[in-house]
Amino acid sequence: AQSVSQHNHHVILSEAASLELGCNYSYGGTVNLFWYVQYPGQHLQLLLKYFSGDPLVKGIKGFEAEFIKSKFSFNLRKPSVQWSDTAEYFCAVNSKGDYKLSFGAGTTVTVRA
Amino acid sequence: GAVVSQHPSRVICKSGTSVKIECRSLDFQATTMFWYRQFPKQSLMLMATSNEGSKATYEQGVEKDKFLINHASLTLSTLTVTSAHPEDSSFYICSVITKGLAYNEQFFGPGTRLTVL
Repeated sequence: AQSVSQHNHHVILSEAASLELGCNYSYGGTVNLFWYVQYPGQHLQLLLKYFSGDPLVKGIKGFEAEFIKSKFSFNLRKPSVQWSDTAEYFCAVNSKGDYKLSFGAGTTVTVRA
Repeated sequence: GAVVSQHPSRVICKSGTSVKIECRSLDFQATTMFWYRQFPKQSLMLMATSNEGSKATYEQGVEKDKFLINHASLTLSTLTVTSAHPEDSSFYICSVITKGLAYNEQFFGPGTRLTVL
């Protein structure tokens, strides 16, 4: 089974600051990688996903993530955050052919206006 | 993306009672549904995988007699928490996979907050 670690528990930023959230997984095989966002009081939404191909993937709302296979990492980035980006962010992984997701503990992002 | 609903959104019950939570896929056929629970400030923990017309597969440590899952149709799965106790209080979330659409992507319901007194 995979394990997923997110390095930051809580990140506090000002608007227009850049954001980077770390995610590492432990699994030796081929994986699919996801970032989900959970806005206050709302359900999980997919930000972006990586299945194969270009390791730099772009998602919704200006987010992107880079898969670095040698580092088992899939870090999430946004160059300039907005107050509306305040949310909980989850990294998730599954192995090819297996739908079951393993989630990281989540990172709470608070953006101050 | 696919639309997933859960009912109820919030339930408060007395210890010892059973609670049923529904998960519906509103605009597609869900071949597989997943049930998660989420404790405050923690991640989602997969409880079980539910395939239409067959028995659910439970993750290690999850009591199948405690958390009854029924997936009677391609649009509905139910989770029944039997003889609920305060330690069962949690946020329960379902997700679905749909045939032929967004391979390998799960769509999540809004969750059900269960509080057992």
